[in-house]
Amino acid sequence: DQQVKQNSPSLSVQEGRISILNCDYTNSMFDYFLWYKKYPAEGPTFLISISSIKDKNEDGRFTVFLNKSAKHLSLHIVPSQPGDSAVYFCAASATYNTDKLIFGTGTRLQVFP
Amino acid sequence: DTEVTQTPKHLVMGMTNKKSLKCEQHMGHRAMYWYKQKAKKPPELMFVYSYEKLSINESVPSRFSPECPNSSLLNLHLHALQPEDSALYLCASSQEDRAGNTIYFGEGSWLTVV
Repeated sequence: DQQVKQNSPSLSVQEGRISILNCDYTNSMFDYFLWYKKYPAEGPTFLISISSIKDKNEDGRFTVFLNKSAKHLSLHIVPSQPGDSAVYFCAASATYNTDKLIFGTGTRLQVFP
Repeated sequence: DTEVTQTPKHLVMGMTNKKSLKCEQHMGHRAMYWYKQKAKKPPELMFVYSYEKLSINESVPSRFSPECPNSSLLNLHLHALQPEDSALYLCASSQEDRAGNTIYFGEGSWLTVV
């Protein structure tokens, strides 16, 4: 049972444009959401997070939006740069079990010139 | 600084060998984790230590044995592994804050079992 889903395995975006990565979840107990970026042969790097008490969090070029009623979150990258090309994982956890981070299957983003 | 250091970066071992993966963090984090990641898959949780006590074991086979010697160190002892255990092993740490529990990963140890 995949509680966190990233339905797009890959995304290709031109440099300078917006990249939108999507993530859906099924467990209504999840209240903390994170995005990680992963290059090949490296560990995931934490990008940005959002608590369920918010619907938006912004950090530089990265913005995460949370729609609790739809159980959907998205990561916006503006403007996209070639160095953003990587696999992006969304992840979620619940207050009753904060150590158990549930990952989505990942979306491979390619930013081309 | 959110650095988690793992050694070795690469390890090749035979099925009868005993080896260990090591992890260190000096951020004062209260929890440390071992994850396993296979190609094109998300990281899978193996073990969690919270305040140096094993708090989660995700039904991992006994050929993987975690150890937390102190609050900064985490080891994963490997014995009698199978070729299908070949994967990227990720160590992570976290300190809960008001917003939630952000987990920070090391660069991983690539394990190949031959």
